[in-house]
Amino acid sequence: EPEVTQTPSHQVTQMGQEVILRCVPISNHLYFYWYRQILGQKVEFLVSFYNNEISEKSEIFDDQFSVERPDGSNFTLKIRSTKLEDSAMYFCASMWDRRSSYNSPLHFGNGTRLTVT
Amino acid sequence: QQQVKQSPQSLIVQKGGISIINCAYENTAFDYFPWYQQFPGKGPALLIAIRPDVSEKKEGRFTISFNKSAKQFSLHIMDSQPGDSATYFCAARMAGGFKTIFGAGTRLFVKA
Repeated sequence: EPEVTQTPSHQVTQMGQEVILRCVPISNHLYFYWYRQILGQKVEFLVSFYNNEISEKSEIFDDQFSVERPDGSNFTLKIRSTKLEDSAMYFCASMWDRRSSYNSPLHFGNGTRLTVT
Repeated sequence: QQQVKQSPQSLIVQKGGISIINCAYENTAFDYFPWYQQFPGKGPALLIAIRPDVSEKKEGRFTISFNKSAKQFSLHIMDSQPGDSATYFCAARMAGGFKTIFGAGTRLFVKA
């Protein structure tokens, strides 16, 4: 079964540094997402991306965050200047078609654990 | 209005027992209610989902009950097994919407 893959599995960075988290969504999916989960708590929506642009973003997704789909397979999340509170598990997800919600669930990767020191 | 409230926060059930997790929502524009299961070190994975025009959906030992008038839905795990020990998230998405909103999660532990 096709799956969403994320790299790296764990990233340690110093406060103020830039990080890029990488994801390869399922190949025929059209909608791409980043979610964040702090210490096994709530899964929080960050951003959705469709047709090469951001379709929706949360209040967490401020100017320090950006997303990009640089080619036909990768989807990245960049944090420009990391803060301690950015430490979390970041999950990439993809979906085939949002018009048919019932038949098109989110497929998640296994996440990147980001630790900011 | 965009929230999905989930309870309990944690649950301990004896093997063979029934696990029940409850969720409530406010926004009547939600039209898709999935449940996700998450094991440690893994991403959430779809377990079962329901539309609001259906009152119950059953897949194996897992059943969603949906009460549209009360704006509540619940997950029942029959004959709970130690392998069901995981975190469960209810969620909701608006018709044609981009984002899925998650509840706070329930940590289930099934004692052998």
